[in-house]
Amino acid sequence: DTAVSQTPKYLVTQMGNDKSIKCEQNLGHDTMYWYKQDSKKFLKIMFSYNNKELIINETVPNRFSPKSPDKAHLNLHINSLELGDSAVYFCASSQGGLAGYNEQFFGPGTRLTVL
Amino acid sequence: AQSVTQLGSHVSVSEGALVLLRCNYSSSVPPYLFWYVQYPNQGLQLLLKYTSAATLVKGINGFEAEFKKSETSFHLTKPSAHMSDAAEYFCAVARGTGGGNKLTFGTGTQLKVEL
Repeated sequence: DTAVSQTPKYLVTQMGNDKSIKCEQNLGHDTMYWYKQDSKKFLKIMFSYNNKELIINETVPNRFSPKSPDKAHLNLHINSLELGDSAVYFCASSQGGLAGYNEQFFGPGTRLTVL
Repeated sequence: AQSVTQLGSHVSVSEGALVLLRCNYSSSVPPYLFWYVQYPNQGLQLLLKYTSAATLVKGINGFEAEFKKSETSFHLTKPSAHMSDAAEYFCAVARGTGGGNKLTFGTGTQLKVEL
């Protein structure tokens, strides 16, 4: 049973298009995250939601808009795609709580290629 | 601001040899530290984490790490490398925030294991 799943796994699209990536977790976690991994494998957090409320919003272009319909789902919509958006996007989830030591469980990633 | 530095973007060892991957942290408060592994074309998997309970932390697959406050280090070791250990390894520091935790990753170390 997949704990954190993402769709699609691969996404190839043209500049200027709008696309969405979906994430679902079946771990019963309260908190979900989006990360971007660039071509040099550098990982950076983009957003995080706790019980459908945005708690982390890093310096990300406003073309990126996360949406959490419920605490098991966190989607990422990207408008007007640019070449620099090409990357692997990872979804993750963790238990909620004030402590910073809860393990984050990662999805398999979505490789986005913008042509 | 918290950060981690991983020394050596590429490390190569022989099968059966000691694995040592270096991570130094910067934090004004006692840190929560993690090591994650990423196999090719997969998401990240937690190897181990430090939460101040014990300075020597044992993880999965025979890996362990020692927290040394005096050296601000959290190096990852494994006594005997196996071919299956070849992967990208990430050190990360976490800060609790609003019900989740914000992971700040190092730049990663690619481990190559040779026969």
